[in-house]
Amino acid sequence: NAGVTQTPKFQVLKTGQSMTLQCAQDMNHEYMSWYRQDPGMGLRLIHYSVGAGITDQGEVPNGYNVSRSTTEDFPLRLLSAAPSQTSVYFCASSYSRGVGYGYTFGSGTRLTVV
Amino acid sequence: AQSVTQPDIHITVSEGASLELRCNYSYGATPYLFWYVQSPGQGLQLLLKYFSGDTLVQGIKGFEAEFKRSQSSFNLRKPSVHWSDAAEYFCAVGPYSGGGADGLTFGKGTHLIIQP
Repeated sequence: NAGVTQTPKFQVLKTGQSMTLQCAQDMNHEYMSWYRQDPGMGLRLIHYSVGAGITDQGEVPNGYNVSRSTTEDFPLRLLSAAPSQTSVYFCASSYSRGVGYGYTFGSGTRLTVV
Repeated sequence: AQSVTQPDIHITVSEGASLELRCNYSYGATPYLFWYVQSPGQGLQLLLKYFSGDTLVQGIKGFEAEFKRSQSSFNLRKPSVHWSDAAEYFCAVGPYSGGGADGLTFGKGTHLIIQP
């Protein structure tokens, strides 16, 4: 089924460890983004990309890196995990830049940093 | 900077009753407005969106929302709820204007509980 695939679904990290959250879409969407969801906070934009080779920061980028080497993939890297990064992470994609096209969300990665 | 307020953290409605979820926004121009629904353990699904034109928009699953510019509101309604409507509902406004980023600003969500 076409859509946005996120892996892993669950992850526990120790403080200071690094990891990569994977996001892949098979809809040939130009725009991809990462959000984090915290209780009582809604979703906040971390990073986004408007096409292969182009990335930019969102509202809460600190502690996260991204790259976009292909149209399909948009991994999110935590270089040195901190307890404050415990959250649920969602990847979203869209046909093109601009919110008007509507977003397709993945099912999320629940990350716990201990 | 823009913001979205969903005043109700939790709402409990009896099955078959009508529903209205409130959303107020702050935005410097004509906004794009959205309602998303999130079922437990799932991602967000778009219910409906408003860009321009008719201020009453219809969405999926029998939901509708009305844009009221004078009240800066975009409330979500459904005439008769079903047990399967129990979920978290998010209102969002865009595009995100912080640093030229493209994205949505989300409210904190309203948790809908359906009583049998």
